[in-house]
Amino acid sequence: GAVVSQHPSWVICKSGTSVKIECRSLDFQATTMFWYRQFPKQSLMLMATSNEGSKATYEQGVEKDKFLINHASLTLSTLTVTSAHPEDSSFYICSALDPNEQFFGPGTRLTVL
Amino acid sequence: AQRVTQPEKLLSVFKGAPVELKCNYSYSGSPELFWYVQYSRQRLQLLLRHISRESIKGFTADLNKGETSFHLKKPFAQEEDSAMYYCALSGDGGSNYKLTFGKGTLLTVNP
Repeated sequence: GAVVSQHPSWVICKSGTSVKIECRSLDFQATTMFWYRQFPKQSLMLMATSNEGSKATYEQGVEKDKFLINHASLTLSTLTVTSAHPEDSSFYICSALDPNEQFFGPGTRLTVL
Repeated sequence: AQRVTQPEKLLSVFKGAPVELKCNYSYSGSPELFWYVQYSRQRLQLLLRHISRESIKGFTADLNKGETSFHLKKPFAQEEDSAMYYCALSGDGGSNYKLTFGKGTLLTVNP
């Protein structure tokens, strides 16, 4: 099956710094990837749809300037959490579409001190 | 707005017993429904989707448009079925691929 990786698997940063999370499709090309956020013991909430070569589409309530998404190639999408604060601490999960099924990455645990 | 409701946070059954995980949805158009499973320390993976009408690992789910439900069933639960199960919905017949997830049900199958 299709494999999606995320890097890093966990990151701790200081408040006010920016953090970049990578999502890669390892054995297929993905023009569309998705970014989710999962709070403890809660469901996954879609943050944005990442389309290769074009701007990401953000869900209502998600700050575009805070969560920067770049999908510069068919195998890589990045999520940058800018000026991170403790309330941004969460589990971030990406998925990639191949061709009509989403394959999920293992997730990235972000802790902002 | 689309919404997925899984009324049970926790479900515990004994091995060999039937299991049913409930899922109800709210969507005005034509939805596509999915069940995803997450085993301990593993990533989320697709279990089944209603359009394929398959039985995966003994699980089945039937879309009931009248009751707006997509319950997941298995006649004889196994210990390896213990996992977190998420029901999800994609609008526009699944053509936009965006998923709305329920809050999940943690299934524990006891020996």
